[in-house]
Amino acid sequence: EDQVTQSPEALRLQEGESSSLNCSYTVSGLRGLFWYRQDPGKGPEFLFTLYSAGEEKEKERLKATLTKKESFLHITAPKPEDSATYLCAVQPEYSSASKIIFGSGTRLSIRP
Amino acid sequence: DTAVSQTPKYLVTQMGNDKSIKCEQNLGHDTMYWYKQDSKKFLKIMFSYNNKELIINETVPNRFSPKSPDKAHLNLHINSLELGDSAVYFCASSQGIQGRGYTFGSGTRLTVV
Repeated sequence: EDQVTQSPEALRLQEGESSSLNCSYTVSGLRGLFWYRQDPGKGPEFLFTLYSAGEEKEKERLKATLTKKESFLHITAPKPEDSATYLCAVQPEYSSASKIIFGSGTRLSIRP
Repeated sequence: DTAVSQTPKYLVTQMGNDKSIKCEQNLGHDTMYWYKQDSKKFLKIMFSYNNKELIINETVPNRFSPKSPDKAHLNLHINSLELGDSAVYFCASSQGIQGRGYTFGSGTRLTVV
């Protein structure tokens, strides 16, 4: 069964303390892996798409990487405004439509 | 200039009632979705329409009926509401169906009492 598992569930960091969030996935072929950010009371906001192992994408203090079994979202020198829930999602290769499967997210808190 | 807008934002209703949630996007996208986010924050797809054609219909009770009058609108009607229907419902859109990032609305929090 296709599955996306994110860890840790919650992470509290001091401002400036770099860390990584993990997304491990089990799919029979990967068409794409997505990262989203979700603030309380809002819809997820698209961050990155990764398509193949070895690919990396960067945006400000965030960098996403992809291997054949997992993806990491690295956060460098985070600021309080980076506090949010970060969601990982995958689109299986067999999916003829645009179905993507979400993980349950990592809730990130950055203390000033 | 909201990209994907849902109404209402909050909906509190009694068991057994029928309710609708509306969604509109002004991005020119051709594919729209309904997702349900439960209390554990899992987002699960319910339906997807591409150019007004239903392309994804997950295992959802037939009390839920989507309608897409045109590419820019996707509404969700729910009959005979149950306590377990309480959740946040998100509408989203994308251009095409192949590995594109979605644009989500801000959600409708449905509470059934």
